[in-house]
Amino acid sequence: EVQLVESGGGLVKPGGSLRLSCAASGLTSSDFYINWVRQSPGRGLEWVALIKSQNHGSKTEYGTPVSGRFTVSRDDSQNTVSLQMSRLKIEDTGVYYCVREAVGYFDKWGQGTVVTVSS
Amino acid sequence: QSALTQPPSASGSPGQSVTISCTGSSSDVGHYNYVAWYKQHPGKAPTLILYDVTKRPSGIPDRFSGSKSGNTASLTVSGLQPEDEADYYCSSYTGRDNLYVFGTGTTVTVL
Repeated sequence: EVQLVESGGGLVKPGGSLRLSCAASGLTSSDFYINWVRQSPGRGLEWVALIKSQNHGSKTEYGTPVSGRFTVSRDDSQNTVSLQMSRLKIEDTGVYYCVREAVGYFDKWGQGTVVTVSS
Repeated sequence: QSALTQPPSASGSPGQSVTISCTGSSSDVGHYNYVAWYKQHPGKAPTLILYDVTKRPSGIPDRFSGSKSGNTASLTVSGLQPEDEADYYCSSYTGRDNLYVFGTGTTVTVL
């Protein structure tokens, strides 16, 4: 069974940093496009970032609100994908989901991890 | 990129049908057939119910159907059942800076 399990969420002050992890099982993460999608009451569901498959050079893409502050990476030895978040803002608060992408849609979601940015 | 527009709520009695619209632009919904729909119960992650406008993943009943006309996609749930009560979100690939855009969400209530 394919599973994506996020961890690393928590409370952080504005301007701080946090690193989220997504552990994959039942699939080899390097074979797939893995995205981060977040959800908050104020902003709804929002696409955050993507790391492409190894076949596509593991290239990364970022949403405009997080470009330059967030970095997505992959550790193939651990079959994990990470999201390093820096210079966090209050509006980055939300539930962060690790999501497997098929062509044009997201077919497998993790359970989410909560990030709260507050002073 | 603005979120796709969905009605905040929709409702129907058991056995009835409900249709939810998802309005975007010529840059997303109108340009690509990469429209998907997700169902979300409170406190849970979204799950995929339709992709490529009309296709159902394995295990999704044919009571769920999709269509698209111009910049608007629609999800129809036929033969409403109590377990259909949930939030529903559409999404579209955009191919631009923000690769995907989601809808504002619709809460479906089974009366």
